[in-house]
Amino acid sequence: QKEVEQNSGPLSVPEGAIASLNCTYSDRGSQSFFWYRQYSGKSPELIMSIYSNGDKEDGRFTAQLNKASQYVSLLIRDSQPSDSATYLCAVVGAGSYQLTFGKGTKLSVIP
Amino acid sequence: KAGVTQTPRYLIKTRGQQVTLSCSPISGHRSVSWYQQTPGQGLQFLFEYFSETQRNKGNFPGRFSGRQFSNSRSEMNVSTLELGDSALYLCASSKDRGGTEAFFGQGTRLTVV
Repeated sequence: QKEVEQNSGPLSVPEGAIASLNCTYSDRGSQSFFWYRQYSGKSPELIMSIYSNGDKEDGRFTAQLNKASQYVSLLIRDSQPSDSATYLCAVVGAGSYQLTFGKGTKLSVIP
Repeated sequence: KAGVTQTPRYLIKTRGQQVTLSCSPISGHRSVSWYQQTPGQGLQFLFEYFSETQRNKGNFPGRFSGRQFSNSRSEMNVSTLELGDSALYLCASSKDRGGTEAFFGQGTRLTVV
């Protein structure tokens, strides 16, 4: 069974700090990786996609992928209270057309 | 550009009834996937439709079904509702299959009483 694991948190960081969210996956052949943000009572919102090893930056967000270690992370720089949400890691496995989600990490940014 | 539209937003049904949920994908997107989200299980894949054909199905009973129309709009149906079917049902649309970015609608909150 293909699995995606995330620390459920909550992860608390002070405003202005860097928040680091981590995700591991079991399917070594996975090719597509995504981070979604979900506010309470809302639907998931795509914030980052990454397909190759290394870093990908978009504004205050940086996604990092290491396929050899089967590890993907999301860094949020200059964290704001509005970043407080649950962050979902999603992976598309080899030969698959579906997203497999982790259970999510709840982030709380303290003013 | 309009996003993914799901209707209705909220539903209350009685055990044993059936329900139909609707999803209109982003214009030009051909793949529609459905997910169930519950506090205990998280987001779980139900099925995927592409070119009016179900291409992939998750581990759900046959009471869960769906279809896709020629304009890419999709519906999912749940028959003989059970209390455990209470969940947020999310539709995601993608341009194509196979790992392209997926965008979610606002979801339909189904409560079975």
